[in-house]
Amino acid sequence: AQSVTQLGSHVSVSEGALVLLRCNYSSSVPPYLFWYVQYPNQGLQLLLKYTSAATLVKGINGFEAEFKKSETSFHLTKPSAHMSDAAEYFCAVSVFTGANSKLTFGKGITLSVRP
Amino acid sequence: NAGVMQNPRHLVRRRGQEARLRCSPVKGHSHVYWYRQLPEEGLKFMVYLQKENIIDESGMPKERFSAEFPKEGPSILRIQQVVRGDSAAYFCASSPEPGQRRPNTEAFFGQGTRLTVV
Repeated sequence: AQSVTQLGSHVSVSEGALVLLRCNYSSSVPPYLFWYVQYPNQGLQLLLKYTSAATLVKGINGFEAEFKKSETSFHLTKPSAHMSDAAEYFCAVSVFTGANSKLTFGKGITLSVRP
Repeated sequence: NAGVMQNPRHLVRRRGQEARLRCSPVKGHSHVYWYRQLPEEGLKFMVYLQKENIIDESGMPKERFSAEFPKEGPSILRIQQVVRGDSAAYFCASSPEPGQRRPNTEAFFGQGTRLTVV
């Protein structure tokens, strides 16, 4: 079985500051890792994904994440926060078991951006 | 090019009533997943369906909940005799048929149905 840990439930940064959202995973087989963003009363939008290719993954809106197997981590970063980045962010893990690619999500982190 | 469509967006039911949530996947997608999001929690997997088949229902409550994905029409998540604890956001996601030796690596999510039980 796999699991995801997102430490802390809320992160607050100033506009223009570095964004760092942490994600650690547990998986007995090589994982696929994802970051999703959810705006209020909306569905989930995929930011980026790791699927065993390059360990540094670039996504939309200037976000990127690095897969570190030794640390079982997949932290999300953005060099400069924008007000529009305020949302909830979910890290998720999936393993390939035939066609079933169900996702296991972390509890999410709410990102606030101060002017 | 419509994405995953869920309806209704908001649903209010009294305790004991039935709730029916609909999900139309991305055109051409034959795999549907249902997730539930409780307040202050992440999404929890409920069930995975392919056309006319339930493949994995390990996350479904044992009673009152059922899901289907018929040959024609949307996928339906049905909750009978709803209770206050069923109040949550229910999300549907769809993905295409995986290629041989290539997994589904992206699921497209709908905007969810927010169920409130009063």
